[in-house]
Amino acid sequence: GAVVSQHPSRVICKSGTSVKIECRSLDFQATTMFWYRQFPKQSLMLMATSNEGSKATYEQGVEKDKFLINHASLTLSTLTVTSAHPEDSSFYICSARLAGAANTGELFFGEGSRLTVL
Amino acid sequence: AQSVTQLGSHVSVSEGALVLLRCNYSSSVPPYLFWYVQYPNQGLQLLLKYTTGATLVKGINGFEAEFKKSETSFHLTKPSAHMSDAAEYFCAVSDTTSGTYKYIFGTGTRLKVLA
Repeated sequence: GAVVSQHPSRVICKSGTSVKIECRSLDFQATTMFWYRQFPKQSLMLMATSNEGSKATYEQGVEKDKFLINHASLTLSTLTVTSAHPEDSSFYICSARLAGAANTGELFFGEGSRLTVL
Repeated sequence: AQSVTQLGSHVSVSEGALVLLRCNYSSSVPPYLFWYVQYPNQGLQLLLKYTTGATLVKGINGFEAEFKKSETSFHLTKPSAHMSDAAEYFCAVSDTTSGTYKYIFGTGTRLKVLA
């Protein structure tokens, strides 16, 4: 099956620094990737839709200047949490769907990245 | 707008007992429906999905779900619970009309299996 890999799986940073999380589709091309945020014991909240070669589409209430998303290639999307603060601490999960005719609507999820901001 | 409701944030069953996790959805168009499982500090793993065709779908680890349009439900079942089934389960509906295939997730059900 299609594999999506996230890196790093865990990151601890100081308040005010920026953190980049990578999401890679290892064995398929993904024109669209999605970034989710999950608070402890809660569901996944869609943050943004990342489209290769174009600007990301952010969900209502998500600060685009705080959460920078770049989808520079068909296999890589990055989420940068800028000037991180403790309230940004969370579990971030990316997902991707197969491009074109292979798309069945199914999303493939990364392993998640746990961000802790001190 | 689409939405998903999972009744029961916590469900406890005895090992060997039937597992039933409830999911109801709201959608004005034929939905794609999914069940995912999440173990602690991990991503989501697809259990099963319904897109078109047979309304009873079988997934991995002995799970199955039935799409009932009249009841707008997609409940997840497993005849006999195993200790390894203890995890968080999410039902999701996919927006098939906009072309984005965005997922809307339910709030999740934490399954506890008692020895």
